[in-house]
Amino acid sequence: KNEVEQSPQNLTAQEGEFITINCSYSVGISALHWLQQHPGGGIVSLFMLSSGKKKHGRLIATINIQEKHSSLHITASHPRDSAVYICAVSPYSNYQLIWGAGTKLIIKP
Amino acid sequence: DSGVTQTPKHLITATGQRVTLRCSPRSGDLSVYWYQQSLDQGLQFLIQYYNGEERAKGNILERFSAQQFPDLHSELNLSSLELGDSALYFCASSVSPGGRLLGAKNIQYFGAGTRLSVL
Repeated sequence: KNEVEQSPQNLTAQEGEFITINCSYSVGISALHWLQQHPGGGIVSLFMLSSGKKKHGRLIATINIQEKHSSLHITASHPRDSAVYICAVSPYSNYQLIWGAGTKLIIKP
Repeated sequence: DSGVTQTPKHLITATGQRVTLRCSPRSGDLSVYWYQQSLDQGLQFLIQYYNGEERAKGNILERFSAQQFPDLHSELNLSSLELGDSALYFCASSVSPGGRLLGAKNIQYFGAGTRLSVL
């Protein structure tokens, strides 16, 4: 079993829909990261969080440390949100990030 | 623009050859990370340097090596290339060495990647 699991693997939705991507992890962590990889390949860090909730524009990230679970929400989704969303955790045990496999999101106009 | 510069953007070469990928981190960042992303695969951590010293090693093949220079730029050397080495290679940088440190210093900023095609 992977230490970081994302669901769903693929998600197709219509423009305007509320999107939720989930991330569960099995190790103790100091922080969790959400990143976005554009179709062209570029990777952008969206959030780093260790508790509670963060919001940036139409993106909201939440984390429940006790349940070892995080969600990334996109409100009023738009075709330009189409990308792969990646969850990664900073474990206590070492210095490297542990990466999820990513969720491929397609928003249709 | 993340502030991390990778060159070249694209590289086409033949099996058995050797190539060098270059990464310049953001100004002030001491950590450099190298990742490999094969087609439709997730990111695979290869190696990390912090302030010139190797900090952590991931799934890096013996045919691959890296170093970080005094000016903090890093190079990833890939030798005896095989078809399966074709991938996107990303470099990322952060202020901190990562791990337990919290806060913005632990965020990794990614370069645009080098697309390597081995024919």
